[in-house]
Amino acid sequence: NAGVMQNPRHLVRRRGQEARLRCSPMKGHSHVYWYRQLPEEGLKFMVYLQKENIIDESGMPKERFSAEFPKEGPSILRIQQVVRGDSAAYFCASSPAGYSYNEQFFGPGTRLTVL
Amino acid sequence: KQEVTQIPAALSVPEGENLVLNCSFTDSAIYNLQWFRQDPGKGLTSLLLIQSSQREQTSGRLNASLDKSSGRSTLYIAASQPGDSATYLCAVSLDSGGGADGLTFGKGTHLIIQP
Repeated sequence: NAGVMQNPRHLVRRRGQEARLRCSPMKGHSHVYWYRQLPEEGLKFMVYLQKENIIDESGMPKERFSAEFPKEGPSILRIQQVVRGDSAAYFCASSPAGYSYNEQFFGPGTRLTVL
Repeated sequence: KQEVTQIPAALSVPEGENLVLNCSFTDSAIYNLQWFRQDPGKGLTSLLLIQSSQREQTSGRLNASLDKSSGRSTLYIAASQPGDSATYLCAVSLDSGGGADGLTFGKGTHLIIQP
């Protein structure tokens, strides 16, 4: 059973470009979470999704950031018009459906560098 | 707002010592608590998950305890080895009724085991 997969592992963008980060959850997992780890900061929750639904986006910046988890395919975190402050490691986690005590399994992360 | 604090921020000990990492949280209405390790430039590896109704969990040389009412958890590492060197993160999930919230992380304890 493959773990949570994220790609790309490293992404370099210039200011103003768009960044698309992908996450494939573990097989059988229908809950996806995105977290951001800024340099010298702890991990911060951004958004929680189930298939075709955003459940909680309370940690998502109000502008330029969006997330989706379509019926088919990976979850996508999209950052429009990136700025230098968006440089961070972005981690995706997944957990099984239902009352599974919400154990979350993390992917290796995507390290975004904005030039 | 839930806040998670980890003490100490950094720890360096000789190989073979037993050690304790501390985690405290401000809101005791948690659903579960997870301990992770993060190696430099890598993702998070789940070590132990303690459900809110449990007092402790054990895996090999690791033992995690939970005192929900006082908002504290400890991770005990027995007979430390150089391979245990990593950053250890504590995270809690709030019990909002859905049982699947995003995690709130501490900033971690950076552990170095000297050979």
